[in-house]
Amino acid sequence: DAGVIQSPRHEVTEMGQEVTLRCKPISGHNSLFWYRQTMMRGLELLIYFNNNVPIDDSGMPEDRFSAKMPNASFSTLKIQPSEPRDSAVYFCASSYQGTDTQYFGPGTRLTVL
Amino acid sequence: GENVEQHPSTLSVQEGDSAVIKCTYSDSASNYFPWYKQELGKRPQLIIDIRSNVGEKKDQRIAVTLNKTAKHFSLHITETQPEDSAVYFCAAIPSGNTPLVFGKGTRLSVIA
Repeated sequence: DAGVIQSPRHEVTEMGQEVTLRCKPISGHNSLFWYRQTMMRGLELLIYFNNNVPIDDSGMPEDRFSAKMPNASFSTLKIQPSEPRDSAVYFCASSYQGTDTQYFGPGTRLTVL
Repeated sequence: GENVEQHPSTLSVQEGDSAVIKCTYSDSASNYFPWYKQELGKRPQLIIDIRSNVGEKKDQRIAVTLNKTAKHFSLHITETQPEDSAVYFCAAIPSGNTPLVFGKGTRLSVIA
């Protein structure tokens, strides 16, 4: 199994631009999680899906952030418009059940100038 | 909801010594406790886990202990090596259909 796949691995953009991060979970996993990691705030859960349905998005920092999961093998996290304080590493993780072990993707390092 | 506290936030040990990282949790119904290791620039990776029906689990140089009465669990690394240097996260799954709650992490430095 290829594991959780994320793209792009690195993204550099200018303030105000739209950013879309992509994730493919492990085949057969039915839960997907988006995290943000910074030195100051550590690992933060932004949103998670069970069977493609968003369950808890209370971690999404503001309306500029949105996430979708149109099918079991693909999810996106969009930031529009992006701001410098959004600079972080964004991880996607998946699990067989929402309350089981999570496996992380390699992350997307986002830099907003 | 569940709250996971992790200590210490940083830990330095000499190569060959042991390292211990401790976590406490608040939800007495939590029943699954994984530990993740994150090397610099890499993803968090599961290294060991324990379920509430077990008190201790070992895998070569690492072990995890669980005290359900006190609601704390610990990671023990023996004979530390420079490649053990990383950030370690503990986590717990609370009751109900809710996902992992992570601790803030411990940065372990093994000095050669």
